[in-house]
Amino acid sequence: GENVEQHPSTLSVQEGDSAVIKCTYSDSASNYFPWYKQELGKRPQLIIDIRSNVGEKKDQRIAVTLNKTAKHFSLHITETQPEDSAVYFCAASPTGTASKLTFGTGTRLQVTL
Amino acid sequence: NAGVTQTPKFQVLKTGQSMTLQCAQDMNHEYMSWYRQDPGMGLRLIHYSVGAGITDQGEVPNGYNVSRSTTEDFPLRLLSAAPSQTSVYFCASRLGGFNQPQHFGDGTRLSIL
Repeated sequence: GENVEQHPSTLSVQEGDSAVIKCTYSDSASNYFPWYKQELGKRPQLIIDIRSNVGEKKDQRIAVTLNKTAKHFSLHITETQPEDSAVYFCAASPTGTASKLTFGTGTRLQVTL
Repeated sequence: NAGVTQTPKFQVLKTGQSMTLQCAQDMNHEYMSWYRQDPGMGLRLIHYSVGAGITDQGEVPNGYNVSRSTTEDFPLRLLSAAPSQTSVYFCASRLGGFNQPQHFGDGTRLSIL
């Protein structure tokens, strides 16, 4: 089955700096890659996703890049703010497997003043 | 429109007890899933359903049963609770078809003594 590895496990940046979280996946059939943000004690919330026919997607301060050849994808947050502090999860889903998302182990992002 | 509703929010059980975690969605989503979240391990898929009357196993199904008698409801049953099942449980739903985003409930925090 699919295996998703996520790095780093913790990341501390100063307010205004950029943050980058990287994930690799094992199943070349995966074609959907969402990113979720989870604040302490809350539900995971989708912040951005990318499909395999696209190499990059942006939404304001958040961007995701996908390299299908290398089987890795990354989340980029620019101009970080204290409210960006949370745990971020990447995930991957192969074609035709319905709800079977495989998640990474998460990155705890701390944005300091 | 309540989205995905999980009950209860918190529960403490003794080893060997059984219970049912409830999940309901009002978005007419075909697909529903149950995940467990343990520290440092991300979210792992327990069971999922692609429609009423259809269920399948995920990554960690042992010790859990599910049924899907209606589109709206997807209860998760613990048959004989064990301390290893102490976790936070999230229910999620999404529309059918490929690459649709998952919507999570608020979670149930379950402790087994």
